[in-house]
Amino acid sequence: ETGVTQTPRHLVMGMTNKKSLKCEQHLGHNAMYWYKQSAKKPLELMFVYSLEERVENNSVPSRFSPECPNSSHLFLHLHTLQPEDSALYLCASSPNTGTGADTQYFGPGTRLTVL
Amino acid sequence: GDSVTQMEGPVTLSEEAFLTINCTYTATGYPSLFWYVQYPGEGLQLLLKATKADDKGSNKGFEATYRKETTSFHLEKGSVQVSDSAVYFCALRGGSGGGADGLTFGKGTHLIIQP
Repeated sequence: ETGVTQTPRHLVMGMTNKKSLKCEQHLGHNAMYWYKQSAKKPLELMFVYSLEERVENNSVPSRFSPECPNSSHLFLHLHTLQPEDSALYLCASSPNTGTGADTQYFGPGTRLTVL
Repeated sequence: GDSVTQMEGPVTLSEEAFLTINCTYTATGYPSLFWYVQYPGEGLQLLLKATKADDKGSNKGFEATYRKETTSFHLEKGSVQVSDSAVYFCALRGGSGGGADGLTFGKGTHLIIQP
């Protein structure tokens, strides 16, 4: 149990659907992250939030829309995705951003398949 | 920008064999270095970390030493078990000396331990 939960664990959607991924952390951390894990590629950082404010957006297409209503919850809203967006989406949290030594704690991920 | 290079697998060993997984990095500043492990169907778990040169991280029989002169953080274990079969990721954080930051990952090394 890492203290970071993600729902759903698996999601299949069509290219015209709208869905949302949810992440919740129970660790009292101030920073939350979305990563994308595709086959044969390194994990890619997508978004960083610090105290509910987005502080980094790594050139992610606008069909991915993050939301952080409070420091414990993070959402990733999906719309008009492409098949190449199929991947494992991982959420993580850490005590703070800007502190390289802090450990990031990961959730189990949502396995997304876009048809 | 920052980058991490690690040997790609699969790496197949017999139980009780000695394990080395090489990891080298490129970064500005003074990054912290991490090894994460991912078991099938799960998210990433922190295995060990080191935050400054010559530090040794260790956990569950695994060790890695932060070598600034060779920009390396090789993972070692003296006697592997079948339960060590997983994908291992080398990562760095904070290479640019501050600011909002996520982890920069290598591609992962798939380790298979045979009885």
